[in-house]
Amino acid sequence: DTAVSQTPKYLVTQMGNDKSIKCEQNLGHDTMYWYKQDSKKFLKIMFSYNNKELIINETVPNRFSPKSPDKAHLNLHINSLELGDSAVYFCASSQDLPGSSYNEQFFGPGTRLTVL
Amino acid sequence: QKEVEQDPGPLSVPEGAIVSLNCTYSNSAFQYFMWYRQYSRKGPELLMYTYSSGNKEDGRFTAQVDKSSKYISLFIRDSQPSDSATYLCAMSVPGGFKTIFGAGTRLFVKA
Repeated sequence: DTAVSQTPKYLVTQMGNDKSIKCEQNLGHDTMYWYKQDSKKFLKIMFSYNNKELIINETVPNRFSPKSPDKAHLNLHINSLELGDSAVYFCASSQDLPGSSYNEQFFGPGTRLTVL
Repeated sequence: QKEVEQDPGPLSVPEGAIVSLNCTYSNSAFQYFMWYRQYSRKGPELLMYTYSSGNKEDGRFTAQVDKSSKYISLFIRDSQPSDSATYLCAMSVPGGFKTIFGAGTRLFVKA
């Protein structure tokens, strides 16, 4: 009964390849996120969707494209992978209403991406 | 200047010590202040949160916010080896979806 799950857990690929990471949450939350955590543990927001609508789109290369087929899923597709894309990618979800209280985010286990 | 500054450590303490973890921030609009704990090769999980200024206590953990100084702290009393993890401070504005995380402080508690 994993709350936020990601697949795959590990991804090793060559430069220039295209890859996807999938995320699913069974918490009934409205908002989902993608974060990138570099080797120094710095966690940086990339995208966020609320009810399948893109609400946060940070400055990330166009090679990264999120897709939310429904509220429970948020996938991340990466084109033309580069060495600098190597990191751990975390999916998260939260139940938010604009103007309401803080948003506790529930994180998935992460996908460790290594680009060779 | 980053919106949230946090010393990445590592911080190594003996079992039973009192640990103090801190963050500073620059955005005075932040009202919600969180501490997440991340064990090795796991996702972060919420440890505590506070709203605006003040203290909040939960067992061995105390979170403190000083908005006048733009400074937040997490204190861990009677630290245990199981507390060894990375602790990330996080902040957000009311009604906002975006949470800004600090760099995380790696804590090692030696038995």
